[in-house]
Amino acid sequence: GESVGLHLPTLSVQEGDNSIINCAYSNSASDYFIWYKQESGKGPQFIIDIRSNMDKRQGQRVTVLLNKTVKHLSLQIAATQPGDSAVYFCAEARSNDYKLSFGAGTTVTVRA
Amino acid sequence: NAGVTQTPKFRVLKTGQSMTLLCAQDMNHEYMYWYRQDPGMGLRLIHYSVGEGTTAKGEVPDGYNVSRLKKQNFLLGLESAAPSQTSVYFCASRNSGRHSTDTQYFGPGTRLTVL
Repeated sequence: GESVGLHLPTLSVQEGDNSIINCAYSNSASDYFIWYKQESGKGPQFIIDIRSNMDKRQGQRVTVLLNKTVKHLSLQIAATQPGDSAVYFCAEARSNDYKLSFGAGTTVTVRA
Repeated sequence: NAGVTQTPKFRVLKTGQSMTLLCAQDMNHEYMYWYRQDPGMGLRLIHYSVGEGTTAKGEVPDGYNVSRLKKQNFLLGLESAAPSQTSVYFCASRNSGRHSTDTQYFGPGTRLTVL
């Protein structure tokens, strides 16, 4: 079936290095993508989003890249900090729909 | 501005008991959602609402009912709890309008254990 998924369930990163979290999606009708961060015991927190008419969008220390040809989404975190340790989820949606579909998540651990 | 709040934060039920989870948002959002999150998995949509007085089924609606009597509140009910409903439940809301962001804002979650 169609779903949103992440390539790796866990990622260990040295503090100060850049992190890259990947996500593959299979629903070609999706035109809106979001990255969420979930810290332990908390609800998902919005990080950044991108629409299908763009291939790159930058925020504060984060960049989302969208490759529609291979249905791939990535989140880059610059200069990873201990506070970035969390589970990261990608989600996809269609603009004419109300619902998001979530991937299983990638757990990012930052090593001091 | 509290955003999305959920009550209770924790609850333990016995099999067959009923309960209602309350979600409230103060952002005047039209759309509201209930998700469940199980260990090692992403969020799965239970039910959602696109406006006051309306509800719709999501991906995993069985065993749950919802009501949206007021725009700011979205209630999730379990009529007869089962151990399979042990999970963390998240509520979310978002604005409406074609050109508004589709971003959903989440509450802090309710951890439910059914014995």
